[in-house]
Amino acid sequence: AQTVTQSQPEMSVQEAETVTLSCTYDTSENNYYLFWYKQPPSRQMILVIRQEAYKQQNATENRFSVNFQKAAKSFSLKISDSQLGDTAMYFCAFSITSGSRLTFGEGTQLTVNP
Amino acid sequence: DTAVSQTPKYLVTQMGNDKSIKCEQNLGHDTMYWYKQDSKKFLKIMFSYNNKELIINETVPNRFSPKSPDKAHLNLHINSLELGDSAVYFCASSKDRYEQYFGPGTRLTVT
Repeated sequence: AQTVTQSQPEMSVQEAETVTLSCTYDTSENNYYLFWYKQPPSRQMILVIRQEAYKQQNATENRFSVNFQKAAKSFSLKISDSQLGDTAMYFCAFSITSGSRLTFGEGTQLTVNP
Repeated sequence: DTAVSQTPKYLVTQMGNDKSIKCEQNLGHDTMYWYKQDSKKFLKIMFSYNNKELIINETVPNRFSPKSPDKAHLNLHINSLELGDSAVYFCASSKDRYEQYFGPGTRLTVT
């Protein structure tokens, strides 16, 4: 069974600064996908970024980037130039290639302060 | 253009009642899911359908029954509602079992 762990229940950052959210996972699979989802107070689940395990290059989407360390089973999210609208719960999630379920971490509540 | 929609967004009902939540996606995806988010915000898969065929059925009370009339719809029917069923229920869809797109969620409150 796969597990996803987010060890930071809450984090805060000043506007315009950079913050990194941690995620570790456990799996015996070699091919899989990793995701970060954002859930603002509106409750909508929004896909932020995804990473395929077979790709060595870290994924980047504008201000969001990941540090994927396959051997260490680590998948952290870096948010640069934090904005007030980034305030949300962030979930790390895992999916094996041949399956379809997302296994989520416990979430990290990020607050961006003005 | 709503990609994944759910109705209703809020549902308040009494214990013992039967209720349904509807989900529709207009993305042309072939796989749909139901997730439950509990009061601690933890998200867990409940069911998954691929081309109207049930492919994931987690350890969920049999009071919960999903129904997929076609590829674009996946409904969740709950019988004999209990207090512990109070949660936010999310519908999601994906193509080729890849990244999933979520609906707005349905907050179910059982009193």
